[in-house]
Amino acid sequence: GQQVMQIPQYQHVQEGEDFTTYCNSSTTLSNIQWYKQRPGGHPVFLIQLVKSGEVKKQKRLTFQFGEAKKNSSLHITATQTTDVGTYFCAGNQGAQKLVFGQGTRLTINP
Amino acid sequence: SQTIHQWPATLVQPVGSPLSLECTVEGTSNPNLYWYRQAAGRGLQLLFYSVGIGQISSEVPQNLSASRPQDRQFILSSKKLLLSDSGFYLCAWSVSGTTDTQYFGPGTRLTVL
Repeated sequence: GQQVMQIPQYQHVQEGEDFTTYCNSSTTLSNIQWYKQRPGGHPVFLIQLVKSGEVKKQKRLTFQFGEAKKNSSLHITATQTTDVGTYFCAGNQGAQKLVFGQGTRLTINP
Repeated sequence: SQTIHQWPATLVQPVGSPLSLECTVEGTSNPNLYWYRQAAGRGLQLLFYSVGIGQISSEVPQNLSASRPQDRQFILSSKKLLLSDSGFYLCAWSVSGTTDTQYFGPGTRLTVL
C-alpha cells in the first residue's frame, strides 16, 4: 500500500532559527496536504499542493511539491514560539482518503 | 458554516468494557467521514472511512468497528476494550467525492486501564 515517510521525527530549535520537515511517498501523489497539530489539539489544515514543482508561501512558511510529485517539504523561516507543534504531511493517490506521514514534532527554545 | 462535534472529550474505561464514540457533522450533506487513532506522541492511523450511509471501509483489522446510521453521524465502537486501544481518537470529514481538505473534530482521549 501507499506509504508516506516524514523526517525528522523530532526537531528542537532556538527561536529565530529555521526549520524544515521532509515528506516522501512510495507512489506518485495526486496532491499533498500539510496539517499542524498544536500540543493537546487536533490537526488543522495548512495548505494543499497539486501541481508538479509547485511552491506556495504563507508568511514565514514555504511549501514545495517535488517535480515527480513524490516528495514535499515545509520550511519555516525564523521560527517563533507560536510555531510549536507537530507538522504532518498527507498524501493522496486519488482515493477519497489521505495517508498521513508520522509527523515532525517541533519544539522551540525561546 | 460547517462544524464537527465529538463526544465524550475524555474517557477512562476498564479493559474488557464496551466503547461507543460519536461524531456528528453540521452544515454539509453527504460528507466523507473518517476515524483516526493517534497514540501518544505518534502519527495518525486511519481506522475507518465512509463515503455514505451504511458504507464503511476498514483500514486496520482490530477489535473496533464503525457505523454510519445517518448521513452526518459516525460511530466508533468496541465490544471489549484492550489496553492497546488507549489513544486519541479523531473524527474528520471532507467534501464528498473529492480529495480535498479534511476537517478534524476536537477528539476523544481514551484511556483503558
